[in-house]
Amino acid sequence: SQKIEQNSEALNIQEGKTATLTCNYTNYSPAYLQWYRQDPGRGPVFLLLIRENEKEKRKERLKVTFDTTLKQSLFHITASQPADSATYLCALDMNRGSTLGRLYFGRGTQLTVWP
Amino acid sequence: KAGVTQTPRYLIKTRGQQVTLSCSPISGHRSVSWYQQTPGQGLQFLFEYFSETQRNKGNFPGRFSGRQFSNSRSEMNVSTLELGDSALYLCASSLGLAGGQSYEQYFGPGTRLTVT
Repeated sequence: SQKIEQNSEALNIQEGKTATLTCNYTNYSPAYLQWYRQDPGRGPVFLLLIRENEKEKRKERLKVTFDTTLKQSLFHITASQPADSATYLCALDMNRGSTLGRLYFGRGTQLTVWP
Repeated sequence: KAGVTQTPRYLIKTRGQQVTLSCSPISGHRSVSWYQQTPGQGLQFLFEYFSETQRNKGNFPGRFSGRQFSNSRSEMNVSTLELGDSALYLCASSLGLAGGQSYEQYFGPGTRLTVT
């Protein structure tokens, strides 16, 4: 069956450290992978998008990698801050030329950054 | 630019009733997707509309339906409500234009539906 797994439901780290979140998938061949942040009671907010032929993408303190051989994406937040505490979702996009218009979401990892 | 708006924000219904949720996308966005989010299942795709046409549909029963108007606003309807339909219903808009590209989705705040 098709699966998207995000590492442990919860991740707790100390402020200033690097948070690393994992997204593993099986039986998919996504052309793109997206990461979102969701705060309690709010809709997800888009963070980064990476294509299958890109190894790494960066935006300020965020970095995402995409390994299609391992079927894995890693999401890093460097110099983490308490304000980074939220649930982070990975989403797979299978779009390869057809306008599929849908994303497959993982269950998310709840990140808590403590002072 | 105004964000995605959803109405109502909260709703309490009784089993067997029906409900209609509304979504107004970001101006210029023609793609509107609907998702159901529950603690047990996470975010699950319901359907996606583009220029008033349903382009994609998730694995939900026929009680879940939707439509999109010419101004890109969208509604979803759930008939014969069941207790298990209690969830956060999220609407997301995107450009969703040419094939072969991936577009970030802009989510609304959601409608919290409780079925008693």
